[in-house]
Amino acid sequence: AQSVTQPDIHITVSEGASLELRCNYSYGATPYLFWYVQSPGQGLQLLLKYFSGDTLVQGIKGFEAEFKRSQSSFNLRKPSVHWSDAAEYFCALTGGGNKLTFGTGTQLKVEL
Amino acid sequence: EAGVVQSPRYKIIEKKQPVAFWCNPISGHNTLYWYRQNLGQGPELLIRYENEEAVDDSQLPKDRFSAERLKGVDSTLKIQPAELGDSAVYLCASSRQGAAIEQYFGPGTRLTVT
Repeated sequence: AQSVTQPDIHITVSEGASLELRCNYSYGATPYLFWYVQSPGQGLQLLLKYFSGDTLVQGIKGFEAEFKRSQSSFNLRKPSVHWSDAAEYFCALTGGGNKLTFGTGTQLKVEL
Repeated sequence: EAGVVQSPRYKIIEKKQPVAFWCNPISGHNTLYWYRQNLGQGPELLIRYENEEAVDDSQLPKDRFSAERLKGVDSTLKIQPAELGDSAVYLCASSRQGAAIEQYFGPGTRLTVT
């Protein structure tokens, strides 16, 4: 069975500070990994994805994530957070089929 | 390119009433998904269509939920009768056939059952 754990339900950072959102996964092989962002009343927008190759992937809006096989992690980072980044962030994985398994999400609050 | 369109965006109904949600996927996307997102949770797949065929409906509560995708384009998800526990956001997503790992989501329908 595949699963995704996002250990932080809420995170608060100051605008301009760096950000790291944690994601751990359980899967029997190398998964395809995703980060999505969901703003209030909106659907999920894909930030970035990891399929293979370079373990540091760049996404939209200045986000990046690093795949670490040894730690079963795919943490999301941003060097300087903007107030508009306040939203809920979901990590997800698939084994290459069509079944996306999501984590429970991390709510990001940005203090001005 | 237009995104995934869903309607209505919000719906409030009393328990035991029926309700239906509509989804229009991105043009050219053969695969369509319905997800349910409970408050404070990530989305969970209810059903997946490849063209007109429901290829994965293992998580769909078939006693009260039904779905259809006539002509392999638009889709409708129905609940009859609704229960209090059905209050959630219902998300539709679509992807190209053969690239199903890249799913594009609509804005969702927020259902409140009173």
